[in-house]
Amino acid sequence: DAKTTQPPSMDCAEGRAANLPCNHSTISGNEYVYWYRQIHSQGPQYIIHGLKNNETNEMASLIITEDRKSSTLILPHATLRDTAVYYCIVPITGANSKLTFGKGITLSVRP
Amino acid sequence: DTGVSQDPRHKITKRGQNVTFRCDPISEHNRLYWYRQTLGQGPEFLTYFQNEAQLEKSRLLSDRFSAERPKGSFSTLEIQRTEQGDSAMYLCASSLAPEWGGKNIQYFGAGTRLSVL
Repeated sequence: DAKTTQPPSMDCAEGRAANLPCNHSTISGNEYVYWYRQIHSQGPQYIIHGLKNNETNEMASLIITEDRKSSTLILPHATLRDTAVYYCIVPITGANSKLTFGKGITLSVRP
Repeated sequence: DTGVSQDPRHKITKRGQNVTFRCDPISEHNRLYWYRQTLGQGPEFLTYFQNEAQLEKSRLLSDRFSAERPKGSFSTLEIQRTEQGDSAMYLCASSLAPEWGGKNIQYFGAGTRLSVL
């Protein structure tokens, strides 16, 4: 899988935007970027995915740089329930089978 | 909304015993995946099915592990002669098989936590 790099942790204040970065400098032109999160002791939860354009859904926004070598997940108004491990994943196109999870970034939202 | 369900949620067993876990995917999904997660690590891929065919197995899936999806709906994961190193969370996910190069969004269950004493 394309290697992704995320900082190990970050925090933000409740109600503020949380901007979670991810580097994927070896991404190929047709590979998607997926974001999942895992709240303690639960299964991973799909958040959003993108290919080239920025994307937004009810959970978050995904900003992908023009060269596609990095992306940022934005939680516009973080709440305490957003405290979780966030994974940025770029699976191999065509294999389209397994997701390779790294260590992710631990987001701590403080009151 | 019936998501992916896994049973049991927790299993405690003694070393050497056999255990079996069940996963019921989202009903219209034809792909089903198994992952394993140990403490402090991200989930690791074990195997996946498209309909009833097992299409890929990880090297993590030793001979003591077997997975089935006999009718292309639910799946079972069996571990024979459990070892303490098998203690982990076993996660199931399902998806719709994508068109070539298309997106493949996997939806996960809550997992089965196995403790081998």
